[in-house]
Amino acid sequence: AQSVAQPEDQVNVAEGNPLTVKCTYSVSGNPYLFWYVQYPNRGLQFLLKYITGDNLVKGSYGFEAEFNKSQTSFHLKKPSALVSDSALYFCAVRDKYSGAGSYQLTFGKGTKLSVIP
Amino acid sequence: KAGVTQTPRYLIKTRGQQVTLSCSPISGHRSVSWYQQTPGQGLQFLFEYFSETQRNKGNFPGRFSGRQFSNSRSEMNVSTLELGDSALYLCASSLGSGTGRIADTEAFFGQGTRLTVV
Repeated sequence: AQSVAQPEDQVNVAEGNPLTVKCTYSVSGNPYLFWYVQYPNRGLQFLLKYITGDNLVKGSYGFEAEFNKSQTSFHLKKPSALVSDSALYFCAVRDKYSGAGSYQLTFGKGTKLSVIP
Repeated sequence: KAGVTQTPRYLIKTRGQQVTLSCSPISGHRSVSWYQQTPGQGLQFLFEYFSETQRNKGNFPGRFSGRQFSNSRSEMNVSTLELGDSALYLCASSLGSGTGRIADTEAFFGQGTRLTVV
């Protein structure tokens, strides 16, 4: 079974400072990893994904994430936080070989990011 | 290009009633998944449909069911509603693959249907 852990329920960061939202995963095979962001009363917006190749993945709105296979981590980062980045962030994993072509995503519990002006 | 459309956005139902939620995926997407989001349990997978067939199902009671039509639109139904069914129900569409291999495409989510059971 696949699982995702986001160890921090909330992350506070000052505007202009770098931010990191942590994610670790567990799958039986090779993972596909995703980050999504959710604003209040909205659905999830795709930020970035890791499939294979370069361990540093760049995504939307200046976000990037680093895949670390040995630590089974996929932390989300941004060099300079904006107040508008305040939202709920979800890490998700899909086992490359789970099910008969299933698209089931397993999500972490989410991390609330607050960027303080 | 239109995104994923879920209707209605908000619903209030009484315990014991049933409800049907609708999802129109992005044009050309054949896979539709449903998720339940609650503050306590987070995002939980309900089921996934591809080409009108349920391909995977999460750990929910049989009161939760779904279907997919030939145009890839999907509906989910919850019968005999309970207070604990109050949640945001999210639909996600993906390109999908009929070969059994999992493509590496991301899922695109609708804005959700907020169901409140009273």
